[in-house]
Amino acid sequence: AQSVTQPDIHITVSEGASLELRCNYSYGATPYLFWYVQSPGQGLQLLLKYFSGDTLVQGIKGFEAEFKRSQSSFNLRKPSVHWSDAAEYFCAVADSGGSNYKLTFGKGTLLTVNP
Amino acid sequence: DAGVIQSPRHEVTEMGQEVTLRCKPISGHDYLFWYRQTMMRGLELLIYFNNNVPIDDSGMPEDRFSAKMPNASFSTLKIQPSEPRDSAVYFCASSSVNRGIAEAFFGQGTRLTVV
Repeated sequence: AQSVTQPDIHITVSEGASLELRCNYSYGATPYLFWYVQSPGQGLQLLLKYFSGDTLVQGIKGFEAEFKRSQSSFNLRKPSVHWSDAAEYFCAVADSGGSNYKLTFGKGTLLTVNP
Repeated sequence: DAGVIQSPRHEVTEMGQEVTLRCKPISGHDYLFWYRQTMMRGLELLIYFNNNVPIDDSGMPEDRFSAKMPNASFSTLKIQPSEPRDSAVYFCASSSVNRGIAEAFFGQGTRLTVV
């Protein structure tokens, strides 16, 4: 069964600093990969997704992520964090083998941004 | 489109009572998902529908939980009888095969508290 690990439960960065959130997945083939963001009291919003092709994908709000097959990773990055980026971030994987409608989520990483 | 609409946003009920959560998916979407979010278990898929038909309910915790989708624009998740351990945030999400099956759009959730 597919699974997702987000090793960092909570990360604190200063505004303007760079950010990298880690995500590792377990899946037999190349999965479909996603990053979602959840602001307090809100639902999840899709930041970006990887299906195939270029392993560096660009998303909304200045985020990007890189798929690395050799490391089974899909880390999320942003060069300069803004205070409004404080939220919880979820990595998710879907089956690329035909039943790609079920998302399996990691436990999330809570991002705090210091002024 | 107004997005996925869930009601109520908050529900407080006494143990043993019946609880019904409601969801209106995005028009034209043919997949609907119910997720539960807790601190301990994170985001769990409970059940999903395709074209109003339940496809996979293996995530439904027990017989006290049931879900229906009588038409393409409405779904319910019912808990009867409710228990304190059912306290969680319940999310509904929908997606369309035309946009990439697993790109789910989430509602704002229903925060359920069972006392």
